[in-house]
Amino acid sequence: QKEVEQNSGPLSVPEGAIASLNCTYSDRGSQSFFWYRQYSGKSPELIMSIYSNGDKEDGRFTAQLNKASQYVSLLIRDSQPSDSATYLCAVNNAGGTSYGKLTFGQGTILTVHP
Amino acid sequence: DGGITQSPKYLFRKEGQNVTLSCEQNLNHDAMYWYRQDPGQGLRLIYYSQIVNDFQKGDIAEGYSVSREKKESFPLTVTSAQKNPTAFYLCASSIGSSPPFSTDTQYFGPGTRLTVL
Repeated sequence: QKEVEQNSGPLSVPEGAIASLNCTYSDRGSQSFFWYRQYSGKSPELIMSIYSNGDKEDGRFTAQLNKASQYVSLLIRDSQPSDSATYLCAVNNAGGTSYGKLTFGQGTILTVHP
Repeated sequence: DGGITQSPKYLFRKEGQNVTLSCEQNLNHDAMYWYRQDPGQGLRLIYYSQIVNDFQKGDIAEGYSVSREKKESFPLTVTSAQKNPTAFYLCASSIGSSPPFSTDTQYFGPGTRLTVL
């Protein structure tokens, strides 16, 4: 089983729709969770971080975390063509004073079509 | 402007050559990282450094070497022992060394694309 697994893509949604990106992780000790966006040929840029169970909203983006189910998701509302990119889920198993490792999923390609 | 710079943007290597990729940051971050990304895949950790003069192997360190002589710099050498070095190499940094490490967020440089001829 992969340590961090994302829903297989590519995912295609019409402009204005909600895009839903999902990620599961295997390490129950994981403490922090990140979503990065990566445009083709570019480096990843941070969109959201989430540390506690529940929802965290930032503009059109909402991250959802359920540690019991080992599941984290990213919702993009009112999707725009400029949201077309690869979305990477990353999980850190650091806890308290121990230094952890950031493990990435394989990424989900999102295409928003006009 | 604060940020992470990587050079060169593109690099071509002949078989049997060692090449060094540069990574510099002026964010005053303690921790720095090197990742490799292959097409259609996520990032894999090569090496990381939490503090000057100290570094640890990541998941795929074989065929690579690093140094951390200055806080701002973390160069990566791809040696001839690395059999399949063609990839996109990403350097990242984070505030690092002080707890709580669980909230430590990594930020990426623009990357170096290495091709073996």
